[in-house]
Amino acid sequence: NAGVTQTPKFQVLKTGQSMTLQCAQDMNHNSMYWYRQDPGMGLRLIYYSASEGTTDKGEVPNGYNVSRLNKREFSLRLESAAPSQTSVYFCASSRQPGQGSSGANVLTFGAGSRLTVL
Amino acid sequence: GDSVTQMEGPVTLSEEAFLTINCTYTATGYPSLFWYVQYPGEGLQLLLKATKADDKGSNKGFEATYRKETTSFHLEKGSVQVSDSAVYFCALYTGNQFYFGTGTSLTVIP
Repeated sequence: NAGVTQTPKFQVLKTGQSMTLQCAQDMNHNSMYWYRQDPGMGLRLIYYSASEGTTDKGEVPNGYNVSRLNKREFSLRLESAAPSQTSVYFCASSRQPGQGSSGANVLTFGAGSRLTVL
Repeated sequence: GDSVTQMEGPVTLSEEAFLTINCTYTATGYPSLFWYVQYPGEGLQLLLKATKADDKGSNKGFEATYRKETTSFHLEKGSVQVSDSAVYFCALYTGNQFYFGTGTSLTVIP
């Protein structure tokens, strides 16, 4: 099925370890996003990429880096994991107005990656 | 800045009860408004949307009307089912970023 694919689905890290979350979309969307979801706090934007070749910080970028590898792929890297980064991470993508969409700019989400940092 | 405030949960209802989840927003310009639903262990899925004032979004028996005068987009369903148990998120898009509410957990009991 077309959509957003995230890997891995689950990961346990020790404090200080590094890892990369991978995300790919096959809907020819311009924009891609990384969110984290924590209890009682909803979704918070970490980084986004409005188009291929650009990335921007969101609400909570500290401790993360991103790479927009090409139009399809947008990875999130934790260089030195901390327990505060224990969370569920969601990748999402969307068209932008003017990209042939009709109506609203809708986000399509991946299934999520549950990360635990010990 | 732009933001979304939605009713805190959790909400527990009996099957066939009427559901309202309140959502209000603050935004400059003319945002698009959304309701997303998250079933256990899954990502968020678009439930319905509205792009301009007085638009009504609807899907699967759920409805929400974009009210500019009250800056609201309340979610309603006339008769909930056990399968509607999920977390519901109100969101807005301002042409630059998406903003989400904190989510409202709904449990429907038989």
